[in-house]
Amino acid sequence: QQPVQSPQAVILREGEDAVINCSSSKALYSVHWYRQKHGEAPVFLMILLKGGEQKGHEKISASFNEKKQQSSLYLTASQLSYSGTYFCGTEMRNYGQNFVFGPGTRLSVLP
Amino acid sequence: DAGVIQSPRHEVTEMGQEVTLRCKPISGHNSLFWYRQTMMRGLELLIYFNNNVPIDDSGMPEDRFSAKMPNASFSTLKIQPSEPRDSAVYFCASSLEGKNTEAFFGQGTRLTVV
Repeated sequence: QQPVQSPQAVILREGEDAVINCSSSKALYSVHWYRQKHGEAPVFLMILLKGGEQKGHEKISASFNEKKQQSSLYLTASQLSYSGTYFCGTEMRNYGQNFVFGPGTRLSVLP
Repeated sequence: DAGVIQSPRHEVTEMGQEVTLRCKPISGHNSLFWYRQTMMRGLELLIYFNNNVPIDDSGMPEDRFSAKMPNASFSTLKIQPSEPRDSAVYFCASSLEGKNTEAFFGQGTRLTVV
């Protein structure tokens, strides 16, 4: 039931854009996005609750396609501080209240 | 506010010993979560409390694990007896209201069972 994240890893130059995808085999109720830097705790980015919902956070935004059971995280004009591992967490419809994180996407932004 | 406070930050214990991890959520938050993170299994939700009541403990791996929240400002996660495979970083997080509001994580407890 763990969502699938792609790519597993990505390397960018400062200023470049990236997209991280999160997909599930089950219908989703919500999608959460977190970023974790090495040796630190995960930090909340955003939650998407409705199909088709899009949210933005500085130059980081996300969309939720309920029909396709997937979410995408968009990072534009990346900064060095964006480096870290990005996790999506999904709550699935009709599967009680279980909440499952994806395996993570490691993003490295180089100068 | 100081954020979510976990203790200890590091714990090394011998197999078979009891381990107790502690968490103080952010004041005013009514939801608390315990997570475990390992290289092999990633980040896993173990248990979720709302208003001090366990709502979802489906992630608790086995009976050796137990969690309590006696009041709104304190929670414990206990492992008895501990095993080497329990070695992980354990995070506690709290949110204002339920799973679908922003969760704030503590700095974690790195547990090593030898």
